[in-house]
Amino acid sequence: DGGITQSPKYLFRKEGQNVTLSCEQNLNHDAMYWYRQDPGQGLRLIYYSQIVNDFQKGDIAEGYSVSREKKESFPLTVTSAQKNPTAFYLCASSIEGATGELFFGEGSRLTVL
Amino acid sequence: KQEVTQIPAALSVPEGENLVLNCSFTDSAIYNLQWFRQDPGKGLTSLLLIQSSQREQTSGRLNASLDKSSGRSTLYIAASQPGDSATYLCAPCNDYKLSFGAGTTVTVRA
Repeated sequence: DGGITQSPKYLFRKEGQNVTLSCEQNLNHDAMYWYRQDPGQGLRLIYYSQIVNDFQKGDIAEGYSVSREKKESFPLTVTSAQKNPTAFYLCASSIEGATGELFFGEGSRLTVL
Repeated sequence: KQEVTQIPAALSVPEGENLVLNCSFTDSAIYNLQWFRQDPGKGLTSLLLIQSSQREQTSGRLNASLDKSSGRSTLYIAASQPGDSATYLCAPCNDYKLSFGAGTTVTVRA
């Protein structure tokens, strides 16, 4: 089945550690996105990529990094510089950039101990 | 910066009642607006995408209207069912980026 796969679903991290969240899609979409969701708030854009080997910062990129070496993959690294990393992270993709319909993965919940 | 507000934040209705969910946004220069559904602890599922040139879009029991000039969209869900219980989010698209409201959490009582 076509879709977006995020892993791991749950992740625990000690302060000072970097962690990488995986996002893979088999929809043949050019554009991919990472969002962060906190309780009671809307989703906030961390990074997005319109094409392979190119990506742009979103509204809250500080403390995060990404790569886009393959069309299917857009991993997100949460670095130790991110001051409040505990959140629900959502990966999305679309065939026409943000002007097209957006499809989401099931999310990854990161907890910093 | 686009600001999106969804009112009410939560809604509880008996089964069979029609639902009306409101979304307002501050920047009317949008390409389109999407409505999503989110179940607890899950990702978002796209329900409807309405283009800026459209006044409404329908899918089954769902109907979304858009008044771009006043910065408003409304999602109507007819004859609600317990399976409609979820959080509904709207997201207008400006400058190739979506902005999300905090959502309306709907509970449909059997």
